Parts: sequence; structure tokens; C-alpha cells
Amino acid sequence: QKEVEQDPGPLSVPEGAIVSLNCTYSNSAFQYFMWYRQYSRKGPELLMYTYSSGNKEDGRFTAQVDKSSKYISLFIRDSQPSDSATYLCAGGYQKVTFGTGTKLQVIP
Amino acid sequence: DAMVIQNPRYQVTQFGKPVTLSCSQTLNHNVMYWYQQKSSQAPKLLFHYYDKDFNNEADTPDNFQSRRPNTSFCFLDIRSPGLGDAAMYLCATSRTGGEETQYFGPGTRLLVL
Repeated sequence: QKEVEQDPGPLSVPEGAIVSLNCTYSNSAFQYFMWYRQYSRKGPELLMYTYSSGNKEDGRFTAQVDKSSKYISLFIRDSQPSDSATYLCAGGYQKVTFGTGTKLQVIP
Repeated sequence: DAMVIQNPRYQVTQFGKPVTLSCSQTLNHNVMYWYQQKSSQAPKLLFHYYDKDFNNEADTPDNFQSRRPNTSFCFLDIRSPGLGDAAMYLCATSRTGGEETQYFGPGTRLLVL
């Protein structure tokens, strides 16, 4: 079993839709959680960082962590074509473990 | 702007021909990481340096080596590249490691012929 699981997609949504991206993880030791956005043939770019359970909002992006169910979510409001990318979730304690990423396509 | 720079962005090498990938950072971070990412896969940590202390992941092949001559630069050496080593190689840094955020460079795409 992979430590961090993501549906690879692709997930296609119309412009303006609310997007929900999800991950599950198995390592109870994870203390902090991240979402990275990765455009094609580029390096990952940090979007959200959350320490322990709870919600965090930054503009159109909201990250949720539920440690009791080992579930991580990223919500994107008013999605834009420029949001089209692969979204990697990650958990960490001493080192970071990434999911394989969910490919998102926002259709104009 | 403070950043993580990788050179070259694209590298083509021949089977068995040694290759070196370069990473530099202007963030003055203590920790530098090398990841391998194959298509549609998660980035896989190869090794990292905490300052001058080298930390190798247990499953990193001996074919992969690294050097960090100073705080700013880190190199990935692939001694005898095989076809299976074709991938994107990502360099990342963090201020002190652990729970600190990692900042990634744009990556070097390696093609092995």
C-alpha cells in the first residue's frame, strides 16, 4: 500500500466550477500536509501547507486535513483554465512523501 | 528573486555515459534534496544534504551519487545511466528540513539513448 494515495484523473471541469481534489494516507506519523501544483514539464510549486488537522484558506484555495480519517482535500473555487495542472498532495514528519498527483483540466 | 536553479533543463546522454546534473540556490537554505520523478509518478527522494551531511535513501541505487561543494550548489552524478534512469530530476531546498517547506527547482529532464 502506498503511503499517500491519489486518484490520477484526469479530472475535467468547466471554467468557474468548484474543484475537489482528495488524498488518503496511511502513515499516522504524518504531522504536516502540503499541496503542490505542477505544470507540465515544470517543478512542483507549493500551494498550501497545513500543520495537523483543520482548514486553511488562501484566496480561491482551501485545504482540509482530517487526521482521524487520514483524508486530505483541496478545494478550488471559481476554477480557471490556468489552474490546469497536476496537483500533488504530500504528508510529512521527518521527510515528505508525495502522492502520484491528480491531473486537472479546466475547460474554458 | 531568491530561487532554485537547475541546469541543464534538458539532458540527453548515451547508455552508460556518465552525466552530471546541477542545482544552485539563492535561498541560503541548509537542506538540499534530489528527487527522481517518472511520468505520472510521485517524486521519489534519492538523497539529501543537511549542510554537509549526506543522507542516502535506502533504496537509491549505487549508480546515483551526489556532491555538495558549498551551501549554494549541489550536483547529481549518474555514473552509468541506464534506460530506466530516464526521468525528471528535481532539486529542492528547505531552510532546516523536517517540517519546513520544500522549494523546488524547474527540474532537469534526462533522456537516455
